[in-house]
Amino acid sequence: DTGVSQDPRHKITKRGQNVTFRCDPISEHNRLYWYRQTLGQGPEFLTYFQNEAQLEKSRLLSDRFSAERPKGSFSTLEIQRTEQGDSAMYLCASSRGGGREETQYFGPGTRLLVL
Amino acid sequence: AQSVAQPEDQVNVAEGNPLTVKCTYSVSGNPYLFWYVQYPNRGLQFLLKYITGDNLVKGSYGFEAEFNKSQTSFHLKKPSALVSDSALYFCAVSLRGSTLGRLYFGRGTQLTVWP
Repeated sequence: DTGVSQDPRHKITKRGQNVTFRCDPISEHNRLYWYRQTLGQGPEFLTYFQNEAQLEKSRLLSDRFSAERPKGSFSTLEIQRTEQGDSAMYLCASSRGGGREETQYFGPGTRLLVL
Repeated sequence: AQSVAQPEDQVNVAEGNPLTVKCTYSVSGNPYLFWYVQYPNRGLQFLLKYITGDNLVKGSYGFEAEFNKSQTSFHLKKPSALVSDSALYFCAVSLRGSTLGRLYFGRGTQLTVWP
């Protein structure tokens, strides 16, 4: 399977705990995006990497959220001190490049439930 | 601010009939336009995109979309619906000329095709 993969697919945690999600993009895709989707809404942009550089962060990404892409391949998204409002589907997408080539392909998502 | 509107939360159509899922947008400049489909508990699957040229774009699974610049619309269409087309459809835009490529999504339209 050469698509975008995400792990875990589901995560249940208690409020105040830390969680970490992983995303493996399509091989050789240099761009990687994180989005958050809540029930009844479209995905909302969180952050973007080009290779290992984090080039943009949304205001949705509070200081409890951190993302890394250390070698320009897989990425991790960590949420510290989780809150019930963090419950959502976290989607990762990757693309080959910008402009006309910019088509983002999404992974299956990680569904987070904070109790 | 960029925004995407999908005025219908739900569209219901009988199998074999044509379907239309509406999308309008408001962005600064000329956008790239996308349609994605989401099946339950899955990530988003790319259907088609408009970059330039012919206003009628053909995509996967027999879907097509019509770009109308004057009406700032990008409606998704299919001549003959299938029950298997039942899913959640998202319209999205990105900004032409931007190096960042983030997508702005609508809220989604739930398509139900009944036998």
